[in-house]
Amino acid sequence: KQEVTQIPAALSVPEGENLVLNCSFTDSAIYNLQWFRQDPGKGLTSLLLIQSSQREQTSGRLNASLDKSSGRSTLYIAASQPGDSATYLCAVHSGTYKYIFGTGTRLKVLA
Amino acid sequence: DAGVTQSPTHLIKTRGQQVTLRCSPKSGHDTVSWYQQALGQGPQFIFQYYEEEERQRGNFPDRFSGHQFPNYSSELNVNALLLGDSALYLCASSPQGGEQFFGPGTRLTVL
Repeated sequence: KQEVTQIPAALSVPEGENLVLNCSFTDSAIYNLQWFRQDPGKGLTSLLLIQSSQREQTSGRLNASLDKSSGRSTLYIAASQPGDSATYLCAVHSGTYKYIFGTGTRLKVLA
Repeated sequence: DAGVTQSPTHLIKTRGQQVTLRCSPKSGHDTVSWYQQALGQGPQFIFQYYEEEERQRGNFPDRFSGHQFPNYSSELNVNALLLGDSALYLCASSPQGGEQFFGPGTRLTVL
């Protein structure tokens, strides 16, 4: 049974810092992994999708890496801004029809 | 393209009542998945519909049921509401086997 864990649960950093969010999963047989952003009370915004054959994806200040063998993915945010404050969720698609989500990392970037 | 839309945005019901939530998928998408997100948790998979049939179901009781229409839109029905059903209900659409795109969610409060 696939389980997804995100560490840390919460993070508070000053503006301008580079930071790393971690996601680990127990079953390496995944189809893809996706990082989402969620603002309070809102839906999910897709940030990056990494296919199982890929090692990383980049979009602007965001970079996501995937290491299937170790069951880990990281989301790197460069030069953080107060507007980056949100909850970040990773979700694993294991070839069944559903995503398995972690519980998220609540990020607060202080001005 | 309107993306994934959900209605209503917010809903307040009392215990024992029944509720219907609606989802219109992104243009070109034929698959709809429903997720429940309790406060402070990651989304949990409820079920997925494809070709008007339930294709996979998560660990939710039979009080949760759904439907998909020929135009691919979908409904989620919950009977005999419990306090614990209070959550954000998210709909995601995708082309078959493709990346899921999420709607803004419906916030259900059960009193």
